[in-house]
Amino acid sequence: DAKTTQPPSMDCAEGRAANLPCNHSTISGNEYVYWYRQIHSQGPQYIIHGLKNNETNEMASLIITEDRKSSTLILPHATLRDTAVYYCIVPLSSGSARQLTFGSGTQLTVLP
Amino acid sequence: SAVISQKPSRDICQRGTSLTIQCQVDSQVTMMFWYRQQPGQSLTLIATANQGSEATYESGFVIDKFPISRPNLTFSTLTVSNMSPEDSSIYLCSVSRDREFNDNEQFFGPGTRLTVL
Repeated sequence: DAKTTQPPSMDCAEGRAANLPCNHSTISGNEYVYWYRQIHSQGPQYIIHGLKNNETNEMASLIITEDRKSSTLILPHATLRDTAVYYCIVPLSSGSARQLTFGSGTQLTVLP
Repeated sequence: SAVISQKPSRDICQRGTSLTIQCQVDSQVTMMFWYRQQPGQSLTLIATANQGSEATYESGFVIDKFPISRPNLTFSTLTVSNMSPEDSSIYLCSVSRDREFNDNEQFFGPGTRLTVL
């Protein structure tokens, strides 16, 4: 998988937007960016993915820079239940396309 | 989405014994995976469970230690053999729909927390 770099931890006030950055400077043209999160004592949960256009779903928005070397996951109104480890993953585009390599992620703590 | 259950949810085992973990999905899926998450660490892929054939193991994992079965499209088992305290981890099953080549949306089970004494 293309290497991704994320800050180890971030805090966010409840009700505010949480912006989680990810660098993936070695990403190739046909590789997607995926975001997962893992709430304590649970299995990881898929959030969103994108190729080059910005994406939005009911959970979050994904902003990918024009050069695709970085992206930001946005939780528009963070709640206490959003406290989790967030993983930014760029899976291989061929062969093991469905294999995910989890890095260390960002521990997001939403503060009351 | 897919609903995934794992049994047992947790267990405490003695060194040298084996434990079989079951993963059940509520719908037929093409891809099933087994991951390990050691204490305080991220997830590591153990193997891909292939229906009707031998599992595909990642580097550092071997069939003798982690035998896997996948008898049909909704069920798989992972056995942790001849356990040692280093095998204490959370073991997670995940599935992926065969929707398109670049579909890496996986659904994870709740995990099995294993402690080896």
